[in-house]
Formats: sequence, C-alpha cells, structure tokens
Amino acid sequence: EPEVTQTPSHQVTQMGQEVILRCVPISNHLYFYWYRQILGQKVEFLVSFYNNEISEKSEIFDDQFSVERPDGSNFTLKIRSTKLEDSAMYFCASSYSRTDTQYFGPGTRLTVL
Amino acid sequence: QKEVEQNSGPLSVPEGAIASLNCTYSDRGSQSFFWYRQYSGKSPELIMFIYSNGDKEDGRFTAQLNKASQYVSLLIRDSQPSDSATYLCAVREDNDMRFGAGTRLTVKP
Repeated sequence: EPEVTQTPSHQVTQMGQEVILRCVPISNHLYFYWYRQILGQKVEFLVSFYNNEISEKSEIFDDQFSVERPDGSNFTLKIRSTKLEDSAMYFCASSYSRTDTQYFGPGTRLTVL
Repeated sequence: QKEVEQNSGPLSVPEGAIASLNCTYSDRGSQSFFWYRQYSGKSPELIMFIYSNGDKEDGRFTAQLNKASQYVSLLIRDSQPSDSATYLCAVREDNDMRFGAGTRLTVKP
C-alpha cells in the first residue's frame, strides 16, 4: 500500500541553524501539507501546497518557514533559523484532491538545542 | 478563532465495552470531519471520515455527525486493548484542517 515517507526520522540541530525536513508524498497525490505537534500538544496545521504554490498557511508559518517541491517526488519544509520552540514532531501529509482524505507520514522529530 | 474541542480524558473502559468519544467544533463552515488514532510517538492514522449528518459505520467503529449541534462522535464497539491510544478529532474547511487535543483511551483487559 502506498505511503508517505519522511526523512530523517530524528534531526538534532543547534539554535539558529537551518534545517530541511524531507517528505515523499504518495505518488499520485496532488496536495501536500505540513503539520507540527509539540510534545504533549495538539497537531497544528502549518501549510498546504498545490500546483507548486502555497494554497493556505497558518499563523505559525511565518517568514522562518518555507516549502518547496524541488522535483517530482520530494516535498520539503525549511526552517531558516531554528528556535528552541521549533522543537516538535513534524508531519507531512498528502491527499489526491482538496477534499480527499489526508494521509500522514511517520514524522520527523526535530530537537533544537 | 476556529476551535475543535475534545475531552482530554483519560477515558478508561473494560475490554468488550463500548467507548464513546466526543468532539465539538466552532466553525459552522466546516465541511468534513475525521477521526484519527495516534499511538504514542507515532503519526496520526485515519480511522474514519464523515461528511453528512447521521451515522457512518465501519466495522467496530461508528462516527456520528450532527452539524446543527456542531458535534461529532466516535463509538468503538467491543473495545480491545489494542484500541488504547489517543483519538484525534479533525475538522476541515477547504485546505485548513484543525485538530482537537485528543482523547486518551485506555481499554483494560
């Protein structure tokens, strides 16, 4: 069964460093999403992406964040200058259409020291 | 502010019992409703979705939606210890999907 994959599974970085989290959505899906979940808290929507542009973003997704689909398979989330409060689990998700079910990847645990 | 509210629990039921999980949402424009299960340290896993008022059954799971009351629930029949997890209610309007904080369910053998 097709699934969303994410790399790395765990990323440790120093405050102020840039990180790139990678996702490979399900191959025939057209909509891509990033969510984050701070430990013990709710899953929070960050951004949705369709047709090579951001279609919606939350108030969390500020200028520190960017997304890109550099090729036909990868979907990346970049955090330019990480802060301690960026430590969280980051989930990528994809769906075939805007109204279709979103399927989540296994997540990347980001730890900012 | 669009909110999705769930009782955080923990909810504890004996094996074989019915577990009832509830969720309310504030945005009347919400179009679709999802229940995800999340085991500790893992990603959310879709259990069911529901778009229309009424009940939707899938195996041991029944989702119930009442848009007038802005209420969605999940019933788990014949609960098993393997059902022990956090259950996340998610509500979507367009591309914006909002999650509740989740209800932690424990099924005791």
